[in-house]
Amino acid sequence: QQPVQSPQAVILREGEDAVINCSSSKALYSVHWYRQKHGEAPVFLMILLKGGEQKGHEKISASFNEKKQQSSLYLTASQLSYSGTYFCGTDVISSGSARQLTFGSGTQLTVLP
Amino acid sequence: DTEVTQTPKHLVMGMTNKKSLKCEQHMGHRAMYWYKQKAKKPPELMFVYSYEKLSINESVPSRFSPECPNSSLLNLHLHALQPEDSALYLCASSQGSPFGPGREQYFGPGTRLTVT
Repeated sequence: QQPVQSPQAVILREGEDAVINCSSSKALYSVHWYRQKHGEAPVFLMILLKGGEQKGHEKISASFNEKKQQSSLYLTASQLSYSGTYFCGTDVISSGSARQLTFGSGTQLTVLP
Repeated sequence: DTEVTQTPKHLVMGMTNKKSLKCEQHMGHRAMYWYKQKAKKPPELMFVYSYEKLSINESVPSRFSPECPNSSLLNLHLHALQPEDSALYLCASSQGSPFGPGREQYFGPGTRLTVT
């Protein structure tokens, strides 16, 4: 089942902050965050694992609330290069079946000078 | 090196043609994926290979046929496609088994396919 992302779109000025949210109706093993610029491949930003482990880029921060099956991506002091579409991918806990990422519908972030 | 390469970058094919997409990675990853992405939509999983064996087929029509000749290569064979199959086809890879927790995926640049 596809996770729900919000907001759908956000416009910022350089230096401003933004938060992108992702929620799932199912219990999660992990949440992944990717950024995709127009005409390019999605680029891995961060992964947050059940139990608190995280790995990703130094300048990106995110949170994962396991009880609520929610994650938030924090973009601080935004730069022009942050523009793009942000996808969360959820890795759900299910019995027996192979696991896979399901991506949210995306949040289009535009940073203006 | 976290590079996944895909060829060709662009492909235009008729509905009766047979073509193949190619994906290659040299990161030692043992899981490889094919995704389909329509404009302004998220990537949708098509196939997953784990240790060169097909592990997941997301009910993809048989006109799409994946192949994993070795641990570095992934092909997608196309035959008798429909115009609605036009999309960006992305390949990705991840370390170890796709069934382990928290495996980040590295995507290739994609092949933009147009079916006429």
